[in-house]
Amino acid sequence: AQSVAQPEDQVNVAEGNPLTVKCTYSVSGNPYLFWYVQYPNRGLQFLLKYITGDNLVKGSYGFEAEFNKSQTSFHLKKPSALVSDSALYFCAVRDSRSNDYKLSFGAGTTVTVRA
Amino acid sequence: DVKVTQSSRYLVKRTGEKVFLECVQDMDHENMFWYRQDPGLGLRLIYFSYDVKMKEKGDIPEGYSVSREKKERFSLILESASTNQTSMYLCASSLSRVTGGDTQYFGPGTRLTVL
Repeated sequence: AQSVAQPEDQVNVAEGNPLTVKCTYSVSGNPYLFWYVQYPNRGLQFLLKYITGDNLVKGSYGFEAEFNKSQTSFHLKKPSALVSDSALYFCAVRDSRSNDYKLSFGAGTTVTVRA
Repeated sequence: DVKVTQSSRYLVKRTGEKVFLECVQDMDHENMFWYRQDPGLGLRLIYFSYDVKMKEKGDIPEGYSVSREKKERFSLILESASTNQTSMYLCASSLSRVTGGDTQYFGPGTRLTVL
């Protein structure tokens, strides 16, 4: 079975401050991990993914995420947040041992960046 | 760029009506998915398809059916709409079952209200 948890419903930061959105996962094999962002009344946009290799993954719009196997985490980070980063963020996981291509999504974290 | 389009952004239907949600992707992707998104629950998979005329149940298939007559088109059908099917519906596609860690690309979503 595969699952992902986003422990924070909401994250509030001031513009220019670092932004972190937390994600933890559970899989029986190796994880394939994804981050998506959703702006109001829009579909999900792909930000970045971890498949294998370097634990630090760089993605779109200045975002990066760090894979930590011992802590089963894949936190999304941005060194300096912008007001335009305010959105809903989803973490997703697929177990490498699964024989289908379904993703399991977290409940989402609403990020608000205040000016 | 991958483009996934959905036939309607907003839809209002009455209880008992038959509802068709259409999704088209233009990148020759093999896999297509239908999700519903509800606040606090994240995305839940309804049905998915790996090939033409092929379908697999997701986590919440009850009350829904799907059709995939052409590779680029995946339709979600609500045989008899009910108020608890009021939700945001998201379609996604991904390239192939062969590659691991396949990124899913999403359409803009259809916000369905059943009265």
